[in-house]
Amino acid sequence: AQSVTQLGSHVSVSEGALVLLRCNYSSSVPPYLFWYVQYPNQGLQLLLKYTSAATLVKGINGFEAEFKKSETSFHLTKPSAHMSDAAEYFCAVSGGFGNEKLTFGTGTRLTIIP
Amino acid sequence: DSGVTQTPKHLITATGQRVTLRCSPRSGDLSVYWYQQSLDQGLQFLIQYYNGEERAKGNILERFSAQQFPDLHSELNLSSLELGDSALYFCASSIAGGSYEQYFGPGTRLTVT
Repeated sequence: AQSVTQLGSHVSVSEGALVLLRCNYSSSVPPYLFWYVQYPNQGLQLLLKYTSAATLVKGINGFEAEFKKSETSFHLTKPSAHMSDAAEYFCAVSGGFGNEKLTFGTGTRLTIIP
Repeated sequence: DSGVTQTPKHLITATGQRVTLRCSPRSGDLSVYWYQQSLDQGLQFLIQYYNGEERAKGNILERFSAQQFPDLHSELNLSSLELGDSALYFCASSIAGGSYEQYFGPGTRLTVT
């Protein structure tokens, strides 16, 4: 069984400040981890993925995430927030081949303060 | 634009009715997934098809069914609709067997009145 926990359903940061969205996972097999972003009234857009190649993963729009097995974490960061980053962010886990379904966290709504 | 298309975008119907949601995956993708997003349950996996065959099942109600056709498009059928079925239904597609990222369509917003 797999699950993810996103700490903080709402996060507010000032424009230009560091963005840190937290995700912890639980998985009985080596996990594949993803971050998706959802803008209002839109579908989910893939930001980045971890598939065991490199622990520091770079994604689109300046986001990156680091896989830490010892902490079972996959936190999402961006050095400098932009107003356009305001959205809902979802962490998700899958088990890879034969177990490809995504199990999502409850989401974190990111607000950017001008 | 993810390349995944879903129709219709919005659907309003009454309790007890039946509806069909349609999804066309990205060109070359063999796997199609259906997810339901609601305020109380969040994003939940419903069902996966791979190259026409059912591959995995999640928390899908017996009133719901799906299929994937030879041209790889998929349909999700929802019957005997209840108020609680009101939600956003997403389709996603992936190559399957590759790096497993899924690309999501814009969703169908279903409102049951």
